[in-house]
Amino acid sequence: SAVISQKPSRDICQRGTSLTIQCQVDSQVTMMFWYRQQPGQSLTLIATANQGSEATYESGFVIDKFPISRPNLTFSTLTVSNMSPEDSSIYLCSVARSISNEQFFGPGTRLTVL
Amino acid sequence: KQEVTQIPAALSVPEGENLVLNCSFTDSAIYNLQWFRQDPGKGLTSLLLIQSSQREQTSGRLNASLDKSSGRSTLYIAASQPGDSATYLCAVNFGNEKLTFGTGTRLTIIP
Repeated sequence: SAVISQKPSRDICQRGTSLTIQCQVDSQVTMMFWYRQQPGQSLTLIATANQGSEATYESGFVIDKFPISRPNLTFSTLTVSNMSPEDSSIYLCSVARSISNEQFFGPGTRLTVL
Repeated sequence: KQEVTQIPAALSVPEGENLVLNCSFTDSAIYNLQWFRQDPGKGLTSLLLIQSSQREQTSGRLNASLDKSSGRSTLYIAASQPGDSATYLCAVNFGNEKLTFGTGTRLTIIP
């Protein structure tokens, strides 16, 4: 398995502001992903964080709204920009081991936008 | 479109009973399938991973099966306990290294 930490664990933000979420892994991993879980819903993939290149975004998600950094093989950040109440969700990062491709998830960041 | 479905959305079972959770997917060309557990307000805990070449995996009281031809997986929980109460999520890797999640089954074990 992998030990994954996220900061902050939760936050309450005002409309129009931005929040950066950090994801730290205890060992180097090839694949890192960012997911969103809206209230009462399942998980939706936002993007794949690529080390050394731009993130790959899923349909419906854009870089201007969700800029992602991946400076090395153990760390990534997701920024939620110009927030609105519709951005209130749990944001989770995950990593995949290249051998089995099993994914492990961080504890999540619970974001509330007022 | 590749989709994952879990039915029922919620399930209540008396403590001690065995139970089965269902997952179905639309494309049989999968790479692997994972079952996760999520407690309220928490992240996901990986329970079992089944590679496309496997038919089942076991961990303690949990057994997951995979039938690619019918597009189905089941998670069997033996001798259920109140601590098993959680939402169980099925997720499929359709070969592009990304997971497609089902909507989950919220399980309540009644003491």
